[in-house]
Amino acid sequence: KAGVTQTPRYLIKTRGQQVTLSCSPISGHRSVSWYQQTPGQGLQFLFEYFSETQRNKGNFPGRFSGRQFSNSRSEMNVSTLELGDSALYLCASSLGFRRELAQETQYFGPGTRLLVL
Amino acid sequence: ILNVEQSPQSLHVQEGDSTNFTCSFPSSNFYALHWYRWETAKSPEALFVMTLNGDEKKKGRISATLNTKEGYSYLYIKGSQPEDSATYLCAPGAGSSNTGKLIFGQGTTLQVKP
Repeated sequence: KAGVTQTPRYLIKTRGQQVTLSCSPISGHRSVSWYQQTPGQGLQFLFEYFSETQRNKGNFPGRFSGRQFSNSRSEMNVSTLELGDSALYLCASSLGFRRELAQETQYFGPGTRLLVL
Repeated sequence: ILNVEQSPQSLHVQEGDSTNFTCSFPSSNFYALHWYRWETAKSPEALFVMTLNGDEKKKGRISATLNTKEGYSYLYIKGSQPEDSATYLCAPGAGSSNTGKLIFGQGTTLQVKP
């Protein structure tokens, strides 16, 4: 079974631009979460999607948005990029079938490394 | 806001040494604790999901225990090998059963010298 895939793997943008990152979950997984990793802050939760609905959102500005499609693939978008948005963006998927999602194993992708100049 | 503390921040051991790390988290509204291993240039790899007080999990030379009443978990590595070098992250769920949101600690970075 293929793992979580993320595209692109690396991206260089300039301040003010916008960017879209893509995540394809493991086949059959319905829940997708996004995390941002920076050296100073560690892994910070961005969003969680389940069956095309955003279940949870982290403490990030409105420039960060996301969505999930009917095939469970997810995208996140960052508009008006700032230097501080340079980070590794990780996506994780889980089955989404357990009544208690908190107890499901989440499988991470390799991440997209974004550099904002 | 959930405060997750991991100690030590980093650890250097010799091959063959056994080691352990600590993860502390608020004990209220506990649903699960996740442990991950993150090697450089790879994806975080799920090690354990622990849910019950007194839970003990084992995977090869790695084991973990959980105390939900006092809010801590220990991760043990027996006979460390160079391939165990990685950052070990713990993440409790975010205080609700119906979300997969995880709150990660800063991690413990382990370096095993041959």
